[in-house]
Amino acid sequence: DVKVTQSSRYLVKRTGEKVFLECVQDMDHENMFWYRQDPGLGLRLIYFSYDVKMKEKGDIPEGYSVSREKKERFSLILESASTNQTSMYLCASSHRVSYNEQFFGPGTRLTVL
Amino acid sequence: AQTVTQSQPEMSVQEAETVTLSCTYDTSESDYYLFWYKQPPSRQMILVIRQEAYKQQNATENRFSVNFQKAAKSFSLKISDSQLGDAAMYFCARDSGNTPLVFGKGTRLSVIA
Repeated sequence: DVKVTQSSRYLVKRTGEKVFLECVQDMDHENMFWYRQDPGLGLRLIYFSYDVKMKEKGDIPEGYSVSREKKERFSLILESASTNQTSMYLCASSHRVSYNEQFFGPGTRLTVL
Repeated sequence: AQTVTQSQPEMSVQEAETVTLSCTYDTSESDYYLFWYKQPPSRQMILVIRQEAYKQQNATENRFSVNFQKAAKSFSLKISDSQLGDAAMYFCARDSGNTPLVFGKGTRLSVIA
């Protein structure tokens, strides 16, 4: 079975801190994605990556950056956390963008105080 | 922007009854995939069912089936013999071309014993 893991289930940070959210998949998927999930807004795509060292902006990239140095690992970085970034963050991976299901991690619930 | 619309933020169903969740979408592509994902409370999002747009036959997975109306761009999910474990957020999603999945805002399904 595909396994997508995220470094933390719950995280509490302070405003202005630099925050790293890590995601690792074990199925050699080319594509990885970071979403933000908020009540009433569904899943919104922050960034995605088709390959190592490649990244593409999603719908809401402002305030975030990403890093993909290895195929299995995709990191989301909040350069200076703000309270409006309090949310559930979901990582996903897939073999290719087209016509393939995405496999999701368990999510990280981030609270910024 | 191409969108996916779930018009029912919340629904409820009696155990053992049938419920239908609605989804409409917008796309200019002729070939694409549609998905229903399930996110149980505090648990990982998983794929429930997938429909290929070029296939006329509606997909079925055990108690889950879809009603795919391509001309109307409608993709509803029917859950038969509802069980307590079906209680979850359900997300409809569309995948076309080389763009990542586009998700709806979700429908929260409650199952009443």
